[in-house]
Amino acid sequence: DQQVKQNSPSLSVQEGRISILNCDYTNSMFDYFLWYKKYPAEGPTFLISISSIKDKNEDGRFTVFLNKSAKHLSLHIVPSQPGDSAVYFCAAHSNYGQNFVFGPGTRLSVLP
Amino acid sequence: DGGITQSPKYLFRKEGQNVTLSCEQNLNHDAMYWYRQDPGQGLRLIYYSQIVNDFQKGDIAEGYSVSREKKESFPLTVTSAQKNPTAFYLCASSIRGRATGELFFGEGSRLTVL
Repeated sequence: DQQVKQNSPSLSVQEGRISILNCDYTNSMFDYFLWYKKYPAEGPTFLISISSIKDKNEDGRFTVFLNKSAKHLSLHIVPSQPGDSAVYFCAAHSNYGQNFVFGPGTRLSVLP
Repeated sequence: DGGITQSPKYLFRKEGQNVTLSCEQNLNHDAMYWYRQDPGQGLRLIYYSQIVNDFQKGDIAEGYSVSREKKESFPLTVTSAQKNPTAFYLCASSIRGRATGELFFGEGSRLTVL
């Protein structure tokens, strides 16, 4: 049973437009959420995170929104650039757990 | 520069052979992890270690073994008991006890069983 879900396996967006990647979780004990970006044949790199005490965190073109009541978070990329084309993983962590739980990933393609 | 080094990047193995994947970090992190990536399944935790000489099974530990004799090293052995070992393997580290800390990943090792 997946505790972290990313229901869209892929997403295509035109360059300059907004990309919205979604993530849902089932475990209410999760209190810290992260987004990772991964290029083929490379390890994931950390992008942005949010604590459960916040509902928004912004870093440049990247903003993560958290809706705790819906157990839903989203990553917004504005404006999207071709270099943003990658697989994006949502991950969750609990202070009571020992590890990070990852979603299956969403492949973003930004078209020039 | 600080980071995590995984080797080899590509590895081929015959069925029935054990193989060991290397992971070394110079970030002075206490915690280290091994994940496996399969298409459409995200990253699944194999083993993790919070401190030297101690490690715990993750969600898919069967057919794998690890050791943590040194803080900077966390090798993973894929044994012949692993039913479907062909995958992309990722090593990561984090600051122990810092639940809000991020994971730092190596570049991965792709294992193919022939």
